[in-house]
Amino acid sequence: ETGVTQSPTHLIKTRGQQVTLRCSSQSGHNTVSWYQQALGQGPQFIFQYYREEENGRGNFPPRFSGLQFPNYSSELNVNALELDDSALYLCASSSSTGGPYEQYFGPGTRLTVT
Amino acid sequence: GNSVTQMEGPVTLSEEAFLTINCTYTATGYPSLFWYVQYPGEGLQLLLKATKADDKGSNKGFEATYRKETTSFHLEKGSVQVSDSAVYFCALSNNYGQNFVFGPGTRLSVLP
Repeated sequence: ETGVTQSPTHLIKTRGQQVTLRCSSQSGHNTVSWYQQALGQGPQFIFQYYREEENGRGNFPPRFSGLQFPNYSSELNVNALELDDSALYLCASSSSTGGPYEQYFGPGTRLTVT
Repeated sequence: GNSVTQMEGPVTLSEEAFLTINCTYTATGYPSLFWYVQYPGEGLQLLLKATKADDKGSNKGFEATYRKETTSFHLEKGSVQVSDSAVYFCALSNNYGQNFVFGPGTRLSVLP
């Protein structure tokens, strides 16, 4: 069984640029959630995708957007990067069948905005 | 809105000591409760979970009991090891798996 994978591992961008992060969900999982984890803090929920539709969103501005593909992989796009966007971005997958829908996390993408 | 509060760290213990990390929550309805662990340089791993009041989750010697009357889900281990050194996160979600809310994390260091 393949776990959750994310790419790239690390990324350095300049303020104002745009970035795309990618996530492949665990085999059999149809739901993907994205989180932002600032240094020394807990993950903050960005949004969740189920069957290619956004299925819940946290308190993040519209410049954070996402996609889910038919194979359940997902992208997180961030436009107009700000210095405060520097963080570890975590992707988690889960299954909509059964419960309690515990999430399985990837290793994350470390984004640095300069 | 939903929220999770954890005891502040860092927590430093000697090997074989007893561990308690406090977690309390505020939520509407009947959330599911989780403990996740994050080892240095890695993503989060599910440690244990509980879905209803009085449920006890357990794994790798760690335990936590869902206490609805005190809205708590404290993590305990009877004898910690150096390999338990990590950051521990308490979390909750509604029973559709949406909107996971994490606490700020508690860093545990176990000394030999």
